[in-house]
Amino acid sequence: ELKVEQNPLFLSMQEGKNYTIYCNYSTTSDRLYWYRQDPGKSLESLFVLLSNGAVKQEGRLMASLDTKARLSTLHITAAVHDLSATYFCAVDPNGQNFVFGPGTRLSVLP
Amino acid sequence: ETGVTQSPTHLIKTRGQQVTLRCSSQSGHNTVSWYQQALGQGPQFIFQYYREEENGRGNFPPRFSGLQFPNYSSELNVNALELDDSALYLCASSLAGGIAYEQYFGPGTRLTVT
Repeated sequence: ELKVEQNPLFLSMQEGKNYTIYCNYSTTSDRLYWYRQDPGKSLESLFVLLSNGAVKQEGRLMASLDTKARLSTLHITAAVHDLSATYFCAVDPNGQNFVFGPGTRLSVLP
Repeated sequence: ETGVTQSPTHLIKTRGQQVTLRCSSQSGHNTVSWYQQALGQGPQFIFQYYREEENGRGNFPPRFSGLQFPNYSSELNVNALELDDSALYLCASSLAGGIAYEQYFGPGTRLTVT
């Protein structure tokens, strides 16, 4: 059974600081996705990573994928309050269903 | 381009009742997946429909069933509701055979079972 883990589960950081969220998964997959969810809202797609070594950046967020290590990272640069949300990674091993991690709840404090 | 829509937004039901949730897929998409998200957890895959056939199912009992229509919209039916069925139900549409298999999520239906 495919398992997806995220670390940390809760993250409280000050504005202007940098931090990395880690996503590990237990079986082979070349596709990994990052989503953001605001309280009471649906999932917003952030990044689609389709191959080993893929790196994508959007604003203060950068995601990377190492399929050999079965690891993806979401790096936050100079955090701002607007980034406060829950971040999920999801793995898609067979093109059928996404397996989501438990989420990382990020709180950026002034 | 129309995004994924779901109805209703909120729903309150009593234990033992039945419920039907609806989803319209994004224009051009032919696949719909349903997920259950309990409070404070990640979404859990219920099942996927492609060309009106079930195309994969997660670890949910048979009282969770679904349909997909020729226009690719979909329904999720849950019979004999239990308190643990209280959750946010998300549908996601995608294009089978697309390079990214990226799923686009609707706004969700918040189901409360009392």
